[in-house]
Amino acid sequence: GEDVEQSLFLSVREGDSSVINCTYTDSSSTYLYWYKQEPGAGLQLLTYIFSNMDMKQDQRLTVLLNKKDKHLSLRIADTQTGDSAIYFCAERNQAGTALIFGKGTTLSVSS
Amino acid sequence: DAMVIQNPRYQVTQFGKPVTLSCSQTLNHNVMYWYQQKSSQAPKLLFHYYDKDFNNEADTPDNFQSRRPNTSFCFLDIRSPGLGDAAMYLCATSPPGTGVNIQYFGAGTRLSVL
Repeated sequence: GEDVEQSLFLSVREGDSSVINCTYTDSSSTYLYWYKQEPGAGLQLLTYIFSNMDMKQDQRLTVLLNKKDKHLSLRIADTQTGDSAIYFCAERNQAGTALIFGKGTTLSVSS
Repeated sequence: DAMVIQNPRYQVTQFGKPVTLSCSQTLNHNVMYWYQQKSSQAPKLLFHYYDKDFNNEADTPDNFQSRRPNTSFCFLDIRSPGLGDAAMYLCATSPPGTGVNIQYFGAGTRLSVL
C-alpha cells in the first residue's frame, strides 16, 4: 500500500542548514510535496517536485528526489527561528484523488 | 484574505452528541476534502467531493458524514462522537485536473469530546 515515512524530530541552530528526509512507497507517484504546519494552523504548501526532476530550488529551499531509492529530502538553508514548525512530506495516492502524508518532522530552531 | 475558512476553530462536544464542522472557500475549487489529524499523526483523508460527487475512503467510519450544498460550503457531521474522535479536522480544496493537485488547507477545527 501507499506509505510515507519521516523522522519525527530535528533540532538545529539558527543559521545552520536543516535537512528533512522522507521515504515513500509508491513508485508511480507523479508529484511529491512538502507542507509546513505552524502551531494551531493548517497546512501550507511549501514546494513540490515532479517525478521527472532530481532537484528543485526555491530561494532557501532545495528539494532532492532520488526515485531509485524513493527518497525525498527538503533542505532549508540559513534556518531561522520562524522556520520552527512541523514539516510534512506527501505523495499523491494512486487514484490521483488525494495526498498521503507522513507523520511530520518537528523542526526546532534554537538561537 | 482567507481562502479556506473553517468554523469554529475549537469545538467541544459531549460523548454521543452530534456535532457539525463547517468549511467554506472563496477559491471556487471543484474539489473539497476532509482530513482527520490526531496528535502527532499524519492527516488522514476521510472523504472528498468532486463537485457534488461524494467519495468516501474505505476505512472512514460510518459515524462520519458529509454534505456539500454548493461549491463554496462543505460540512462534516459526526453523528455520535466518541473519545477517539477527538482530533484536528482539516478541510482542503483543490482545482480539478490530474496535474499537480495543490491542496489549500484551512486552519482546522480542533474537536474535543468530553
